[in-house]
Amino acid sequence: DAGVIQSPRHEVTEMGQEVTLRCKPISGHNSLFWYRQTMMRGLELLIYFNNNVPIDDSGMPEDRFSAKMPNASFSTLKIQPSEPRDSAVYFCASRTGNTEAFFGQGTRLTVV
Amino acid sequence: RKEVEQDPGPFNVPEGATVAFNCTYSNSASQSFFWYRQDCRKEPKLLMSVYSSGNEDGRFTAQLNRASQYISLLIRDSKLSDSATYLCAASLMEYGNKLVFGAGTILRVKS
Repeated sequence: DAGVIQSPRHEVTEMGQEVTLRCKPISGHNSLFWYRQTMMRGLELLIYFNNNVPIDDSGMPEDRFSAKMPNASFSTLKIQPSEPRDSAVYFCASRTGNTEAFFGQGTRLTVV
Repeated sequence: RKEVEQDPGPFNVPEGATVAFNCTYSNSASQSFFWYRQDCRKEPKLLMSVYSSGNEDGRFTAQLNRASQYISLLIRDSKLSDSATYLCAASLMEYGNKLVFGAGTILRVKS
């Protein structure tokens, strides 16, 4: 298994632009998580899905953030419009039930 | 109050030392617990799950104290290669298997 796959690995964009982060979870996993990591705030849970259904998006910082999971093998996290304070590493993780979660390699986002 | 809290450190220890990290969680309904290791500019990776009876994997021992709502990680005979950030995580089944992490504790092992 290739593990959790995220793209792009790095993204540099200008303030105000739309950013779309992509994630392919491990096949067979029924839960998918989006996290954001910064030095100041650590690893924050933004939103998670069970069986493609969003369960809790209370961690999404603002309406500028949205996430979708149209099927079991794909999810997106979109930021529109992006701001410099959105600069961070965004991780996607997946798991089955209450077991350990596996992380993708992350997307390093820089908004200038 | 954060759902999972850790001392950010850094913990600076000499090779061969024993070091312990604690992590507290706020929701008593939390059911599963984990320790992850994260190297610089890499993704977190599972170090070990934490079982109610405590568990050991080589130099690493994890323990759970439900009464006081904390988990611990003990590293014996520290190696230079143990230098990393250690994150604890708690999972809540009643919230659809929500998985939350602490901010991490930095460990630096020096020769």
